[in-house]
Amino acid sequence: NAGVTQTPKFQVLKTGQSMTLQCAQDMNHEYMSWYRQDPGMGLRLIHYSVGAGITDQGEVPNGYNVSRSTTEDFPLRLLSAAPSQTSVYFCASSYSSVTSSYEQYFGPGTRLTVT
Amino acid sequence: TQLLEQSPQFLSIQEGENLTVYCNSSSVFSSLQWYRQEPGEGPVLLVTVVTGGEVKKLKRLTFQFGDARKDSSLHITAAQPGDTGLYLCAGDGGGTSYGKLTFGQGTILTVHP
Repeated sequence: NAGVTQTPKFQVLKTGQSMTLQCAQDMNHEYMSWYRQDPGMGLRLIHYSVGAGITDQGEVPNGYNVSRSTTEDFPLRLLSAAPSQTSVYFCASSYSSVTSSYEQYFGPGTRLTVT
Repeated sequence: TQLLEQSPQFLSIQEGENLTVYCNSSSVFSSLQWYRQEPGEGPVLLVTVVTGGEVKKLKRLTFQFGDARKDSSLHITAAQPGDTGLYLCAGDGGGTSYGKLTFGQGTILTVHP
C-alpha cells in the first residue's frame, strides 16, 4: 500500500494563477480531508469529504474548491492564488468503525509558495 | 467552534529530562488523538484516548485523557534526541462531526544530546 500520496511536493505560483493539488489514497477510506499548516497554528481544516460525491467546508474554505468523484481521489483546487495561501498543505484519509475514532492517515504534504 | 489549546508551544530540554505537554479545551471530545510530525513529513498517529480518565503508555510516553474528556496530557520520561519533533493533539467532537478533527497549535520539542 502506498497510503496517501500527494503531488506535487513543492510548487511556486504567481498571484492570480490557479492550480490543483492532487491527493490519492489506496486504503479504501471513506473520509478524506485537506488541511493547511502554518507556523504556530497547527492544522486547519479546509475541506473534507465523507464519501464520493459528498464534500463540505471546514474552518478555512475560502479560495479553495474540492470535488470527490471517486473514493480514491480528492483534489484541491486553488482558484486564484494569493500570498495568504502560502502554506504547507496536507491531505489525510480516515475511516469509521466500532473501534476507530477517525484517526488521520496523512500524506507527505505539498509546500506551496505564492509570490 | 471547538478549540484546543496546546501548551507549551516550545520546549527545549536536555537528554534525560522529563516533560509534559498539555492539551485543553472547554468542549467535550469523544476522543483525543496525539500525533508526532518530523520536518518535511506528515503527522503520524501516536495514540488515541477514548474513555475519560484513560491512561495509555507507549514506551516512555504516557498519555492521559481527562475525566471530563475536555483535556489531555502527554508525558515523556527520560527524553531522547529521537523524541525531537512537533507534537499535535486533535479532538474528535463526535456525533455528526464525521471525523472533522480540531487540532491544537502544536508543541515543538527539541531534545539536546
